[in-house]
Amino acid sequence: GAVVSQHPSRVICKSGTSVKIECRSLDFQATTMFWYRQFPKQSLMLMATSNEGSKATYEQGVEKDKFLINHASLTLSTLTVTSAHPEDSSFYICSARGGQGVGYTFGSGTRLTVV
Amino acid sequence: GNSVTQMEGPVTLSEEAFLTINCTYTATGYPSLFWYVQYPGEGLQLLLKATKADDKGSNKGFEATYRKETTSFHLEKGSVQVSDSAVYFCALSGGGANSKLTFGKGITLSVRP
Repeated sequence: GAVVSQHPSRVICKSGTSVKIECRSLDFQATTMFWYRQFPKQSLMLMATSNEGSKATYEQGVEKDKFLINHASLTLSTLTVTSAHPEDSSFYICSARGGQGVGYTFGSGTRLTVV
Repeated sequence: GNSVTQMEGPVTLSEEAFLTINCTYTATGYPSLFWYVQYPGEGLQLLLKATKADDKGSNKGFEATYRKETTSFHLEKGSVQVSDSAVYFCALSGGGANSKLTFGKGITLSVRP
């Protein structure tokens, strides 16, 4: 079945630094990638939707200059949290959707802790 | 806009008990409906789905029927196991290549031996 690999699974960074999270579709072409943020014991909040080769569409309230999303190929999308602060600490999850009936496949998530 | 409402949790059951997790939705058109499961520290896994009215999705003993007349997609399992302990999310998609998933708040299920 469709597999999405997300790395790293955990990362700790210092306040003010940037962190990049990768999401790869291993056995299908991901025409659309979705990035979510999940707070403890809460649901997933969609941050942005990206299509290969075009700019991401951000949800209302999400700072596009802080959360940089790149979807340069059909198998790779990245989320970069720039100038991270402790309030950016969260669980980030990507989801990829391909064509030809491939549904939504989720990565295993990244636990970001900013200290 | 689209929305998904799940019953409040958490839910704690004894092993082999019957499980029902309620989910209702609001959407225009004919959405697809999903149940996802999240184990601690992991991403989401698709549990089952239904794409049209009266469809029944099933997997690993779990079932849910797409009821358009009541706009519901309740999750059921006849006999839960300790390994079913997880967070369960109901979700819908409006369709289309770029259509996003709309999630309910999720409910934590704990099954005790």
